[in-house]
Amino acid sequence: KAGVTQTPRYLIKTRGQQVTLSCSPISGHRSVSWYQQTPGQGLQFLFEYFSETQRNKGNFPGRFSGRQFSNSRSEMNVSTLELGDSALYLCASSLAKGLSGYTFGSGTRLTVV
Amino acid sequence: GESVGLHLPTLSVQEGDNSIINCAYSNSASDYFIWYKQESGKGPQFIIDIRSNMDKRQGQRVTVLLNKTVKHLSLQIAATQPGDSAVYFCAENGLTGGGNKLTFGTGTQLKVEL
Repeated sequence: KAGVTQTPRYLIKTRGQQVTLSCSPISGHRSVSWYQQTPGQGLQFLFEYFSETQRNKGNFPGRFSGRQFSNSRSEMNVSTLELGDSALYLCASSLAKGLSGYTFGSGTRLTVV
Repeated sequence: GESVGLHLPTLSVQEGDNSIINCAYSNSASDYFIWYKQESGKGPQFIIDIRSNMDKRQGQRVTVLLNKTVKHLSLQIAATQPGDSAVYFCAENGLTGGGNKLTFGTGTQLKVEL
């Protein structure tokens, strides 16, 4: 059974550009969540999608957005990149909503220069 | 507001000893907690979870203890092995709006000395 797949693994972008990251959840999982991990702020919740609807959102600016497709695959987009957006972006999927453990992907390492 | 914090940033133990990693939380309404292990270059890996109606839960070589009175969570690893070296995070599932939202602690680096 394949795990959570995130692409690309590494990405280098210039300030002001935009970026799209992809996440393929475990087959059958309908909930997909995104997290940002930095040395200074740790792991922070970005948003969660369930059945193509954003169900929860963290405290990030509107430059961060996402969507989920009918096959549960999800993408997140960051527009007008800033140096501070450099981070490891993690995606997690789960079978049911609430009270269930997640399975994380290996993440996408984004570097903004 | 909600916060989940760890007492020690780094813990060094001898191989074969038991390890105890602590976590404090501030949201008394929290009802579900998870421990994760993260190795370098990888995403967090689920270790064990516990609901607020339990005080203790055991897994393979790991035990999680929950003290709701003082809002404290701990992870015990028995007979620590070199492969246990990693960063350990506690997390709380806020279940806002019926969904999934994890609030993570800052993490503890566990180093196993041979």
